Amino acid sequence: DARVTQTPRHKVTEMGQEVTMRCQPILGHNTVFWYRQTMMQGLELLAYFRNRAPLDDSGMPKDRFSAEMPDATLATLKIQPSEPRDSAVYFCASGLVRDGRTDTDTQYFGPGTRLTVL
Amino acid sequence: ILNVEQSPQSLHVQEGDSTNFTCSFPSSNFYALHWYRWETAKSPEALFVMTLNGDEKKKGRISATLNTKEGYSYLYIKGSQPEDSATYLCGSGNTGKLIFGQGTTLQVKP
Repeated sequence: DARVTQTPRHKVTEMGQEVTMRCQPILGHNTVFWYRQTMMQGLELLAYFRNRAPLDDSGMPKDRFSAEMPDATLATLKIQPSEPRDSAVYFCASGLVRDGRTDTDTQYFGPGTRLTVL
Repeated sequence: ILNVEQSPQSLHVQEGDSTNFTCSFPSSNFYALHWYRWETAKSPEALFVMTLNGDEKKKGRISATLNTKEGYSYLYIKGSQPEDSATYLCGSGNTGKLIFGQGTTLQVKP
C-alpha cells in the first residue's frame, strides 16, 4: 500500500534554529504539495512542485522558508531561522496530475510533521 | 480572495442518525471539489473528487452531491457509526490549486 512518508514526525526546537522537514512522495506521482495546518488558518498551501520544478510558492513566507525537490523521491521544506509562530503541523501530499491542472486530481497526504518552536 | 466555507463547524449525533453538512465555494472558474476525511492524529484521506454540476458520488454509507452553478456541495452520512467521527474537509479548485475550508467535525456517540 503506497504511502507518502514524512520525517521527522515531531520536532521541538528553539527559536532561531534551522528546521528541515522531509517528504517521500508516492512513487510515480508527479506533483508534491506542502501544507501547513494551524488552528487559526486551517489547512493552507505553502508550495507545490510538478516534475520537481517549483510551480507556486506564494503561500510561503519567502524570507525564512524554502522548499526544494533534490530528486523525485525527496522533497524538503526548510525554515531558517525558525520562530514560535511557525509552530504547526506540516503536511506533505503527492498526486498524479494528468491534465495540467493541479486541483482536479486526488492528493495523498503524509502523516505530517508536528513542529514546536520554543 | 477565494473563500471556502463549511457548515456547521461541529456536529454531535447519535449512532444510527443520518447527517449532512455543507461546503460553499465560489462558482466562478470552478474546476473541482474535493472531500477529505480527517481523523484525529492522522492525515486527511480522500473521499471524493467531483467536477461536473449534478455529480453524485457514493462510498459505502457516505455520499456527496455537487451544484457548481450555486457553489455548494453536500456530504451525507447514512446511519452514522462511531468510526465516522472525524473532521470532514472540502477543498475547492478555482485557481489551479485547492483551497480548503475549515472543516466540519463530526462526533458520533454510541
